[in-house]
Amino acid sequence: SQKIEQNSEALNIQEGKTATLTCNYTNYSPAYLQWYRQDPGRGPVFLLLIRENEKEKRKERLKVTFDTTLKQSLFHITASQPADSATYLCALASSGNTPLVFGKGTRLSVIA
Amino acid sequence: DAGVTQSPTHLIKTRGQQVTLRCSPKSGHDTVSWYQQALGQGPQFIFQYYEEEERQRGNFPDRFSGHQFPNYSSELNVNALLLGDSALYLCASSRDIVDTIYFGEGSWLTVV
Repeated sequence: SQKIEQNSEALNIQEGKTATLTCNYTNYSPAYLQWYRQDPGRGPVFLLLIRENEKEKRKERLKVTFDTTLKQSLFHITASQPADSATYLCALASSGNTPLVFGKGTRLSVIA
Repeated sequence: DAGVTQSPTHLIKTRGQQVTLRCSPKSGHDTVSWYQQALGQGPQFIFQYYEEEERQRGNFPDRFSGHQFPNYSSELNVNALLLGDSALYLCASSRDIVDTIYFGEGSWLTVV
C-alpha cells in the first residue's frame, strides 16, 4: 500500500542552524510534492511545491529537494529562528486533480 | 482577498447526532476538498467537489456526505456521530488542474 513517512516525529535544533526534515514514500509515483507548515490548532499553510522533473526549489530561507529514484524529499530551513517552530507536513499527489496524501508531520522546535 | 473560511471554528456534539460544517473557498477557486485530521496525524482526504459534483472520495463511510453550491461554497455533513469522529476538519480549495491547495483554519469537532 502507499506509504509516506516523515522520519522524525520531533526535531530540536539550535537557532541559526539549518534544519533538515525528511519525507520518504513507497508504492507511489507522485507528479509533485508539497510542504506545509502547521501551527497548533491552525490549518496547514502552503510553503513550497516541487514537481517530479525538478530537483530543487528555493524560497527565501527554504529549500526543497526531490529525488524520485530514492523516493525522498528533503526540506531545509537555513538560519533557523524560534518563529520557525511548528509542525511541517509533506504531501504528495499524482496529478493536479488527485487528492493530497499527507505524512504525519515533523514537529520542529528551534531553541534560542 | 479572503482565504478559505470555515465555520464553525469549534463545536461539541453528542454521539448519534448529526453535524454540518461549512466552507467558503478562496476567491477564484472552484474545487473544494475536505480532510479530517486526528490529533498527531496528518490530514486524511474525505472527498472533493467540483462543479457541484463529488469528484473523488477517500476511504470514509457513507455517514460522511457533502455538497457544493453554485457559488463554490461547500458543506460537510456527518451523520450518526461516533466518538472517533472527533477531529479537526479542514477545507481546502484550489483551481481545477492547478496544483497549489490552500487550507482553511478548520473546524474542531468534539463528540462526547
